[in-house]
Amino acid sequence: QKEVEQNSGPLSVPEGAIASLNCTYSDRGSQSFFWYRQYSGKSPELIMSIYSNGDKEDGRFTAQLNKASQYVSLLIRDSQPSDSATYLCAVNALSTGNQFYFGTGTSLTVIP
Amino acid sequence: NAGVTQTPKFRILKIGQSMTLQCTQDMNHNYMYWYRQDPGMGLKLIYYSVGAGITDKGEVPNGYNVSRSTTEDFPLRLELAAPSQTSVYFCASSPGFSNQPQHFGDGTRLSIL
Repeated sequence: QKEVEQNSGPLSVPEGAIASLNCTYSDRGSQSFFWYRQYSGKSPELIMSIYSNGDKEDGRFTAQLNKASQYVSLLIRDSQPSDSATYLCAVNALSTGNQFYFGTGTSLTVIP
Repeated sequence: NAGVTQTPKFRILKIGQSMTLQCTQDMNHNYMYWYRQDPGMGLKLIYYSVGAGITDKGEVPNGYNVSRSTTEDFPLRLELAAPSQTSVYFCASSPGFSNQPQHFGDGTRLSIL
């Protein structure tokens, strides 16, 4: 069973729409959750972190965490072409110390 | 403010050659990590270190070795390069607490021919 799972996409949304990216994880003891954005040929860049159930907003980005259902999501409001990238979900698994497990990423394309 | 620096950025090796990928960070982070990323496959942990002199295997350690003699440096050694090691390699660091994210270097694109 994979530690972290994401839909690989591709996900296409029109400019100005809301993009919704989802991630599920297997370790119920996980405490820290991160969303990274990775442009083609570049390194992952942290865009959001979340640790408690509920929503966390930062500009156009909202992370949502539901530990009971073991999922974390990322909403991007007013999507822009510059948001086109692969979004990686990362989870810190307590069962393996401070190892981070990454999903395979969801490719997002924002269509002008 | 360099963050995590990786060298080289690109390298082509012949099968059976060896090389060292360099990684250094200037954030005084205790934890450092090496990942490989194959196309469409996400990041796989090769080795990690929780401090100078301490290293441990990740998910895919075979064919690689690491050392951590200082807090700043965490080189990754490839011995007897094989085509299966063609990948993009990322080094990352974090302060070491579970609620702190990792910071990534720009990556090394390695081809084994």
